[in-house]
Amino acid sequence: EVQLVESGGGLVQPGRSLRLSCAASGFSFDDYTMHWVRQRPGKGLEWVSGITWNSDAMGYADSVKGRFTISRDNAKNSLYLQLTSLRPEDTAFYYCAKSKDMVARTSFFDYWGQGTLVTVSS
Amino acid sequence: EIVMTQSPDTLSVSPGERATLSCRASQSVSRNLAWYQQKPDQAPRLLIYGASVRATGIPARFSGSGSGTEFTVTISSLQSEDIAVYFCQQYDDWPHTFGQGTKLEIK
Repeated sequence: EVQLVESGGGLVQPGRSLRLSCAASGFSFDDYTMHWVRQRPGKGLEWVSGITWNSDAMGYADSVKGRFTISRDNAKNSLYLQLTSLRPEDTAFYYCAKSKDMVARTSFFDYWGQGTLVTVSS
Repeated sequence: EIVMTQSPDTLSVSPGERATLSCRASQSVSRNLAWYQQKPDQAPRLLIYGASVRATGIPARFSGSGSGTEFTVTISSLQSEDIAVYFCQQYDDWPHTFGQGTKLEIK
């Protein structure tokens, strides 16, 4: 059974940093592109970042470019998102999501975690 | 960046009636279009991919169509458990942008 479990969210002051983690199980993690998607409370979904299976390519939404960094450790079946220079508008649930197709940069998302809440407030 | 626009923002449909939700892309995404269903306090769930292929476990009352820039998802006979917000997403290229969502309500 595929499982994605996010952690690392919490309350943080503006300008500070936070590191989110996503522990993956039930599939061959190093064969799939992975993504972070966020959802501000009561709002829609926003793709935040993606990383290919071998970390050769990474992409970011314009809203987080230069502030967030995606990475992965295939030996630990884990995906990460380093959030820096946080702003109140970064307050959201952050979901990790798995791409459906093996060794493909672009694909839809067949599994999602339950999300971790990041609250940026003084 | 490809902009995805859904319509309407909110749709009220009586039980047993047909519901049609629309999604438009600012440029062609071929058939690289997915739909997700999100119920309150839950993560999104894959509904349809490839514009018209139902994901595993999705009832046959859900169907998708379209290609290029215009897409629809239709629920042939609305059930109470279909009440949710529906999002379209293009995966033709990064960023894999989403539409703003359509909230489906019971009339």
